Amino acid sequence: DAKTTQPNSMESNEEEPVHLPCNHSTISGTDYIHWYRQLPSQGPEYVIHGLTSNVNNRMASLAIAEDRKSSTLILHRATLRDAAVYYCILRGLGNTGKLIFGQGTTLQVKP
Amino acid sequence: GAGVSQSPRYKVAKRGQDVALRCDPISGHVSLFWYQQALGQGPEFLTYFQNEAQLDKSGLPSDRFFAERPEGSVSTLKIQRTQQEDSAGYLCASSSRTSGGTTGELFFGEGSRLTVL
Repeated sequence: DAKTTQPNSMESNEEEPVHLPCNHSTISGTDYIHWYRQLPSQGPEYVIHGLTSNVNNRMASLAIAEDRKSSTLILHRATLRDAAVYYCILRGLGNTGKLIFGQGTTLQVKP
Repeated sequence: GAGVSQSPRYKVAKRGQDVALRCDPISGHVSLFWYQQALGQGPEFLTYFQNEAQLDKSGLPSDRFFAERPEGSVSTLKIQRTQQEDSAGYLCASSSRTSGGTTGELFFGEGSRLTVL
């Protein structure tokens, strides 16, 4: 599966939107873009995934560039509980769940 | 319980001791994964089971690491003759999807934190 690049850290103010970027310039046509996040002292939790179209769920939105070489996870109103490490992961066809997490982006939310 | 359960949450071992870490996946989940997470790093894949079959153990760092899932549900990760470099978090995850499920969500437990003195 192709690699992703994310900023090491980002800061946000509480109740403001947060845009977490991810670059994946070597993505293949069948790679899905997944996002997980890991709160302190907990295991990672699934946030959202997409292939080509933008996606929304109760936790976040995923905006995927037209050329699919980058994507952005959008938290519409950050809360203190959103402070976590956010991982952008590509899963190709046949990937059983062997996820490559990388370093992720540590999001700090200021009150 | 509703989620993936791991025990113990914390384990301190003396160098050279054997340890066993247990994972109870979500009931009915076919796939089970073990990941290792060093402090400040992202999780790294260790091994994967589909039911009782260990289909991928490419991430196990040495032959001191052994995982089993004999009845296709509970899994145990065993580390023999622990070394200081084995100190890490060990995460278990389960999924209802089998191979080819590129969209199958993984559900992670809270992990077992191992410290080897």
